[in-house]
Amino acid sequence: DARVTQTPRHKVTEMGQEVTMRCQPILGHNTVFWYRQTMMQGLELLAYFRNRAPLDDSGMPKDRFSAEMPDATLATLKIQPSEPRDSAVYFCASGSRVVGQGPQETQYFGPGTRLLVL
Amino acid sequence: RKEVEQDPGPFNVPEGATVAFNCTYSNSASQSFFWYRQDCRKEPKLLMSVYSSGNEDGRFTAQLNRASQYISLLIRDSKLSDSATYLCVDGFKLSFGAGTTVTVRA
Repeated sequence: DARVTQTPRHKVTEMGQEVTMRCQPILGHNTVFWYRQTMMQGLELLAYFRNRAPLDDSGMPKDRFSAEMPDATLATLKIQPSEPRDSAVYFCASGSRVVGQGPQETQYFGPGTRLLVL
Repeated sequence: RKEVEQDPGPFNVPEGATVAFNCTYSNSASQSFFWYRQDCRKEPKLLMSVYSSGNEDGRFTAQLNRASQYISLLIRDSKLSDSATYLCVDGFKLSFGAGTTVTVRA
Protein backbone atom coordinates (compact mmCIF):
# COMPACT_ATOMS: atom_id res chain seq x y z
CA ASP A 1 0.00 0.00 0.00
CA ALA A 2 1.92 3.03 -1.29
CA ARG A 3 1.87 6.05 1.00
CA VAL A 4 3.36 9.48 1.32
CA THR A 5 5.72 9.61 4.28
CA GLN A 6 6.69 12.68 6.26
CA THR A 7 9.31 13.27 8.91
CA PRO A 8 9.36 14.32 11.63
CA ARG A 9 5.78 13.65 12.71
CA HIS A 10 6.10 16.13 15.57
CA LYS A 11 8.48 19.02 16.15
CA VAL A 12 8.72 21.42 19.05
CA THR A 13 11.25 24.19 18.67
CA GLU A 14 12.04 27.65 19.90
CA MET A 15 11.48 30.85 18.00
CA GLY A 16 14.40 31.65 15.73
CA GLN A 17 15.45 28.05 15.16
CA GLU A 18 15.59 26.41 11.75
CA VAL A 19 13.02 23.74 10.99
CA THR A 20 13.32 21.24 8.15
CA MET A 21 10.45 18.96 7.18
CA ARG A 22 10.85 16.09 4.76
CA CYS A 23 8.48 14.27 2.49
CA GLN A 24 8.81 11.14 0.42
CA PRO A 25 6.15 11.09 -2.30
CA ILE A 26 4.55 7.93 -3.60
CA LEU A 27 6.93 6.24 -6.03
CA GLY A 28 6.07 7.28 -9.57
CA HIS A 29 4.14 10.39 -8.61
CA ASN A 30 5.48 13.47 -10.38
CA THR A 31 3.69 16.21 -8.45
CA VAL A 32 4.36 17.19 -4.85
CA PHE A 33 2.35 19.69 -2.83
CA TRP A 34 3.05 21.38 0.50
CA TYR A 35 0.11 22.59 2.61
CA ARG A 36 -0.25 24.19 6.01
CA GLN A 37 -3.33 23.67 8.16
CA THR A 38 -4.44 25.76 11.12
CA MET A 39 -7.75 26.11 12.85
CA MET A 40 -8.07 29.71 11.75
CA GLN A 41 -6.99 29.44 8.10
CA GLY A 42 -7.79 25.85 7.22
CA LEU A 43 -5.69 24.16 4.55
CA GLU A 44 -3.49 26.56 2.60
CA LEU A 45 -1.34 25.66 -0.38
CA LEU A 46 2.23 26.77 0.18
CA ALA A 47 3.97 25.41 -2.92
CA TYR A 48 3.96 22.62 -5.42
CA PHE A 49 6.39 20.93 -7.78
CA ARG A 50 5.93 18.94 -10.94
CA ASN A 51 8.77 16.77 -12.20
CA ARG A 52 10.87 18.40 -9.46
CA ALA A 53 10.40 21.91 -10.87
CA PRO A 54 8.63 24.49 -8.70
CA LEU A 55 5.37 25.51 -10.35
CA ASP A 56 3.84 27.76 -7.75
CA ASP A 57 5.15 28.98 -4.43
CA SER A 58 3.00 32.09 -4.18
CA GLY A 59 1.40 30.86 -0.96
CA MET A 60 4.71 30.67 0.83
CA PRO A 61 6.25 33.51 2.87
CA LYS A 62 9.41 34.02 0.85
CA ASP A 63 11.48 35.64 3.53
CA ARG A 64 11.59 32.61 5.78
CA PHE A 65 10.23 29.60 3.92
CA SER A 66 11.91 27.60 1.20
CA ALA A 67 10.90 24.41 -0.58
CA GLU A 68 13.07 22.14 -2.68
CA MET A 69 13.11 18.75 -4.35
CA PRO A 70 16.69 17.49 -4.32
CA ASP A 71 15.54 14.36 -6.12
CA ALA A 72 12.34 12.62 -7.17
CA THR A 73 12.04 10.79 -3.85
CA LEU A 74 12.54 13.71 -1.49
CA ALA A 75 10.87 17.08 -0.99
CA THR A 76 11.88 19.46 1.79
CA LEU A 77 10.24 22.47 3.41
CA LYS A 78 12.45 24.68 5.49
CA ILE A 79 11.61 27.54 7.82
CA GLN A 80 14.41 29.82 8.91
CA PRO A 81 13.99 31.51 11.31
CA SER A 82 10.83 29.99 12.73
CA GLU A 83 8.21 32.08 14.52
CA PRO A 84 5.31 31.14 16.84
CA ARG A 85 2.81 31.97 14.07
CA ASP A 86 4.32 29.13 12.01
CA SER A 87 2.83 26.63 14.45
CA ALA A 88 0.57 24.41 12.37
CA VAL A 89 0.29 21.00 10.77
CA TYR A 90 2.27 20.82 7.54
CA PHE A 91 1.05 18.30 5.01
CA CYS A 92 2.80 16.98 1.97
CA ALA A 93 0.75 15.42 -0.80
CA SER A 94 1.70 13.75 -4.05
CA GLY A 95 -0.13 13.07 -7.28
CA SER A 96 0.44 11.92 -10.80
CA ARG A 97 -0.57 14.01 -13.76
CA VAL A 98 -1.29 11.94 -16.84
CA VAL A 99 -2.16 13.54 -20.14
CA GLY A 100 -5.81 12.91 -20.86
CA GLN A 101 -6.59 11.80 -17.31
CA GLY A 102 -8.26 15.03 -16.37
CA PRO A 103 -7.49 18.64 -15.65
CA GLN A 104 -6.09 17.98 -12.21
CA GLU A 105 -4.69 14.92 -10.57
CA THR A 106 -5.93 13.62 -7.26
CA GLN A 107 -3.71 14.18 -4.26
CA TYR A 108 -2.61 11.68 -1.66
CA PHE A 109 -1.67 13.20 1.65
CA GLY A 110 1.03 12.23 4.08
CA PRO A 111 0.32 12.08 7.83
CA GLY A 112 1.65 15.59 8.40
CA THR A 113 4.27 17.23 10.61
CA ARG A 114 2.86 18.93 13.70
CA LEU A 115 5.02 21.94 14.36
CA LEU A 116 4.97 23.97 17.54
CA VAL A 117 7.19 27.02 17.76
CA LEU A 118 7.54 28.40 21.27
CA ARG B 1 -14.49 36.33 -1.12
CA LYS B 2 -12.89 32.95 -0.56
CA GLU B 3 -12.41 30.76 -3.61
CA VAL B 4 -14.21 27.83 -2.01
CA GLU B 5 -16.83 28.22 0.71
CA GLN B 6 -18.57 25.57 2.75
CA ASP B 7 -21.22 25.51 5.42
CA PRO B 8 -19.18 24.56 8.48
CA GLY B 9 -22.09 22.70 10.09
CA PRO B 10 -22.08 20.71 12.23
CA PHE B 11 -24.64 18.42 10.72
CA ASN B 12 -25.83 16.05 13.43
CA VAL B 13 -27.80 13.15 11.98
CA PRO B 14 -28.99 9.74 13.23
CA GLU B 15 -27.66 6.54 11.76
CA GLY B 16 -29.41 5.64 8.56
CA ALA B 17 -30.35 9.20 7.71
CA THR B 18 -29.46 11.06 4.55
CA VAL B 19 -27.35 14.17 4.85
CA ALA B 20 -26.41 16.61 2.12
CA PHE B 21 -24.37 19.77 2.02
CA ASN B 22 -22.95 22.15 -0.55
CA CYS B 23 -19.76 23.86 -1.50
CA THR B 24 -19.65 27.01 -3.62
CA TYR B 25 -16.72 28.07 -5.76
CA SER B 26 -15.84 31.44 -7.24
CA ASN B 27 -13.77 30.55 -10.31
CA SER B 28 -16.12 29.93 -13.21
CA ALA B 29 -13.29 28.40 -15.25
CA SER B 30 -12.66 25.57 -12.77
CA GLN B 31 -13.58 22.17 -14.14
CA SER B 32 -12.41 19.65 -11.60
CA PHE B 33 -13.43 19.28 -7.99
CA PHE B 34 -12.83 16.80 -5.23
CA TRP B 35 -14.33 15.80 -1.94
CA TYR B 36 -11.94 14.72 0.80
CA ARG B 37 -12.77 13.53 4.28
CA GLN B 38 -10.62 14.38 7.25
CA ASP B 39 -10.83 12.68 10.60
CA CYS B 40 -9.69 14.48 13.71
CA ARG B 41 -5.91 14.93 13.76
CA LYS B 42 -5.49 12.91 10.56
CA GLU B 43 -4.63 13.74 6.99
CA PRO B 44 -7.30 14.41 4.34
CA LYS B 45 -8.26 11.35 2.33
CA LEU B 46 -9.80 11.39 -1.09
CA LEU B 47 -13.47 10.53 -1.15
CA MET B 48 -14.38 11.23 -4.74
CA SER B 49 -13.66 13.39 -7.75
CA VAL B 50 -16.18 15.42 -9.73
CA TYR B 51 -15.21 16.26 -13.29
CA SER B 52 -18.53 16.46 -15.09
CA SER B 53 -22.06 16.73 -13.79
CA GLY B 54 -21.61 14.28 -10.96
CA ASN B 55 -20.25 11.09 -9.54
CA GLU B 56 -21.59 8.27 -7.41
CA ASP B 57 -19.73 5.81 -5.23
CA GLY B 58 -21.83 3.55 -3.09
CA ARG B 59 -23.68 5.65 -0.57
CA PHE B 60 -22.00 8.85 -1.67
CA THR B 61 -23.20 11.06 -4.52
CA ALA B 62 -21.56 14.27 -5.68
CA GLN B 63 -23.25 16.70 -8.03
CA LEU B 64 -21.73 19.64 -9.88
CA ASN B 65 -23.91 22.60 -10.83
CA ARG B 66 -21.86 24.82 -13.12
CA ALA B 67 -24.60 27.40 -13.63
CA SER B 68 -24.80 28.14 -9.92
CA GLN B 69 -21.18 27.22 -9.22
CA TYR B 70 -21.65 24.73 -6.45
CA ILE B 71 -20.87 21.12 -5.71
CA SER B 72 -22.97 19.01 -3.41
CA LEU B 73 -22.24 15.85 -1.48
CA LEU B 74 -25.01 13.51 -0.39
CA ILE B 75 -24.52 10.64 2.00
CA ARG B 76 -27.25 8.01 2.11
CA ASP B 77 -27.83 5.52 4.91
CA SER B 78 -25.23 7.27 7.04
CA LYS B 79 -22.99 5.21 9.32
CA LEU B 80 -21.24 6.15 12.53
CA SER B 81 -17.98 5.88 10.60
CA ASP B 82 -19.09 8.69 8.29
CA SER B 83 -18.50 11.18 11.12
CA ALA B 84 -15.75 13.43 9.84
CA THR B 85 -15.03 16.80 8.30
CA TYR B 86 -15.66 16.89 4.56
CA LEU B 87 -13.44 19.18 2.51
CA CYS B 88 -14.35 20.51 -0.90
CA VAL B 89 -11.48 21.24 -3.30
CA ASP B 90 -11.30 23.30 -6.46
CA GLY B 91 -8.80 21.21 -8.40
CA PHE B 92 -7.97 24.01 -10.81
CA LYS B 93 -7.17 26.59 -8.14
CA LEU B 94 -5.92 24.01 -5.61
CA SER B 95 -8.13 25.70 -3.04
CA PHE B 96 -9.66 23.86 -0.12
CA GLY B 97 -12.84 24.84 1.64
CA ALA B 98 -12.81 25.12 5.42
CA GLY B 99 -14.79 21.90 5.70
CA THR B 100 -18.22 20.71 6.77
CA THR B 101 -18.42 18.70 9.96
CA VAL B 102 -20.78 15.74 10.00
CA THR B 103 -21.59 13.80 13.15
CA VAL B 104 -23.63 10.61 12.88
CA ARG B 105 -25.17 9.49 16.17
CA ALA B 106 -26.39 6.07 17.16
